[in-house]
Amino acid sequence: KAGVTQTPRYLIKTRGQQVTLSCSPISGHRSVSWYQQTPGQGLQFLFEYFSETQRNKGNFPGRFSGRQFSNSRSEMNVSTLELGDSALYLCASSLDEKLFFGSGTQLSVL
Amino acid sequence: GQQVMQIPQYQHVQEGEDFTTYCNSSTTLSNIQWYKQRPGGHPVFLIQLVKSGEVKKQKRLTFQFGEAKKNSSLHITATQTTDVGTYFCAGQGSNYQLIWGAGTKLIIKP
Repeated sequence: KAGVTQTPRYLIKTRGQQVTLSCSPISGHRSVSWYQQTPGQGLQFLFEYFSETQRNKGNFPGRFSGRQFSNSRSEMNVSTLELGDSALYLCASSLDEKLFFGSGTQLSVL
Repeated sequence: GQQVMQIPQYQHVQEGEDFTTYCNSSTTLSNIQWYKQRPGGHPVFLIQLVKSGEVKKQKRLTFQFGEAKKNSSLHITATQTTDVGTYFCAGQGSNYQLIWGAGTKLIIKP
C-alpha cells in the first residue's frame, strides 16, 4: 500500500505570495490532518478533514485554509505569506485514530 | 484549554544507558499515542494505549498509561544509536482532537 504523498517536497516563496500544498492519503483513509512544524518546535495542529468536512481547527489565522476532495485528497492554502510561515508542513491520514504522516513540504518564505 | 506537558525537552545519554520521557495531561484522556521522528524525517506511529494502567512493551521500549489516564511514559532500556530522534506523545481529548506534547529529543553522546 502506498504511503501518504505530499507535494511539492520543497517550496520557496516570497512574502505576500500565496501557496497551495497537496496531500494524497493512504488508500481507504478518509481523515486528513495538517500540521506545522518549525525547528525545535513540536507539532502545531492546523486542521483536520473527514469526508470533505472540516472536523477540527487549530489556532491559526484565517490565511491558512484547507479543503478535502471526494477522493480524500486534501490541499492546504496559505495566503499573504509571512516570514514566520517558513516551516515543515506535514499531512497525516488516519484510520482507527492512528496517524500516518507524509514526508512533508518544506516551505521557505524569503 | 487542554494541554499535554512533555518532559524533558532534551536528554543526552551514553549509548547503553536508559532513557525515559514523561507526558502529563491537564484532563483525562481517552487514549494516548506515541510517535518517533528521526532527524530529517517525519513522525512515525509507535503505539496507542487505551486502558487505565496499561503497560505495553516493544522490544526495549516500555509504554505506560497512568491509572487516571492523565499521564504516560516511554522508557527505552539500553539505548542504541538507532533510537536517536524526537519522541512525541499525543493524547486524545474530549473533542476527538489529538493534543500533542512538545517532544523529547534523545541525543546519544559519542
